[in-house]
Formats: sequence, structure tokens, C-alpha cells
Amino acid sequence: GAVVSQHPSRVICKSGTSVKIECRSLDFQATTMFWYRQFPKKSLMLMATSNEGSKATYEQGVEKDKFLINHASLTLSTLTVTSAHPEDSSFYICSGRSGGNAIQYFGAGTRLSVL
Amino acid sequence: AQSVTQPDIHITVSEGASLELRCNYSYGATPYLFWYVQSPGQGLQLLLKYFSGDTLVQGIKGFEAEFKRSQSSFNLRKPSVHWSDAAEYFCAVALNYGGATNKLIFGTGTLLAVQP
Repeated sequence: GAVVSQHPSRVICKSGTSVKIECRSLDFQATTMFWYRQFPKKSLMLMATSNEGSKATYEQGVEKDKFLINHASLTLSTLTVTSAHPEDSSFYICSGRSGGNAIQYFGAGTRLSVL
Repeated sequence: AQSVTQPDIHITVSEGASLELRCNYSYGATPYLFWYVQSPGQGLQLLLKYFSGDTLVQGIKGFEAEFKRSQSSFNLRKPSVHWSDAAEYFCAVALNYGGATNKLIFGTGTLLAVQP
């Protein structure tokens, strides 16, 4: 299957700082990338969908000014958590898919801890 | 609203025993169905998918799943579980908007423990 690389795998930051998470498709062109948030022992919650070169579409209840998503190329999307607070601590997972392909390929996730 | 239900939050089976993980969905049209597996602290790996055709689909690692339209179910099975199968399993439905699939809706997951 296709490979999605997500970096960093773990990050600890101070409250009020910003953190950037990268998601790269290594062997396919990810025309669409998705960002999920997973709480402990919970399912994945879709935060936003981004198409290359377009503004991201955020799910209801997700603050677009806090969670900035950039999808400037067919192989890279970034999620920036701005002015992070302890309640933003979570496991963030990205995925990518190519064209109209229904299959999403997932990154390994980023564990964010905000102190 | 569309939803995916995995009734079993946690299942424990003995190594070598058979396994069935349940998944039911609520969706008006014919969905695209997936099973993903997540090991601790990891992302999701696709086990298998159903789009159309034969309702019994084979996946990786010896898993299979059967789509039953009448029951709105897509249960995952494995005839003999290995200790390395211990993980969390997620069923998901892709919402098909006008032929172009969009986002995935995930179930709440089933945590599988394997006893020696």
C-alpha cells in the first residue's frame, strides 16, 4: 500500500506556543488529505479535509484559526496548532488519498502534549 | 445521520481461537466499507475493503469480512488468532457523495486482547 509519513511522532510544548505537524505522501500524490484527532480510548474524529491548493474544509466545532491546515503540494500537508493549550493535547493522525480513490492511507500519528 | 456501530468495546480471545468483530452501519445508500487496525501509538493500517461485487472479501493477515446488506453489517473474521493480532480494530464507512467518495466515518473501535 501507499505510504504516508507523519512527523514528529511525539512533541511536547509549553502552553501558548505553536506546533507544526507534517504529513507527507511518499509514493503517491495525495490530492486530498485529512486530519483526525483521537482521544484516549476513543475513535477518530475528523477535523478537516484539505484538497491541494485549496482552503481546508473544517468539521463543525473545529476552530479553523486554532488548527491551521496548509496543503500546498500534492505530497505535503501541515497542521499547525496555534497557541496550544493543555486541552489540545491529543493524538493527531493524518491521511491521504489520491484522486477519487476511496482508500485513505494513514500516517503513524503525532502525540501532542501541551504542558 | 450516518453512523457506524461496533457493539463490542473490548474482546479477549485465546491464541488459536476464531474471532469475529461486529460492525453495523446506518447509511441510506450503498456504502464503501473498511476495516482498519491500529497498534498502540500507531496510525491505521487497512485490513480490507468492500466496494461492490462478492460480499465476502479477503484482506491481509488472514482476515476476511462479509457484507450483509439485509443486516447492514460488515463483520470481520479470522479463523485462528495470533498473539500479534492484539490491537484496536476500527470499522469505517466512506460516504459516497455523487460518486466521489469523501470522508470516512469510523466506529468507536474494538480492542482485541489475545490470551496465550
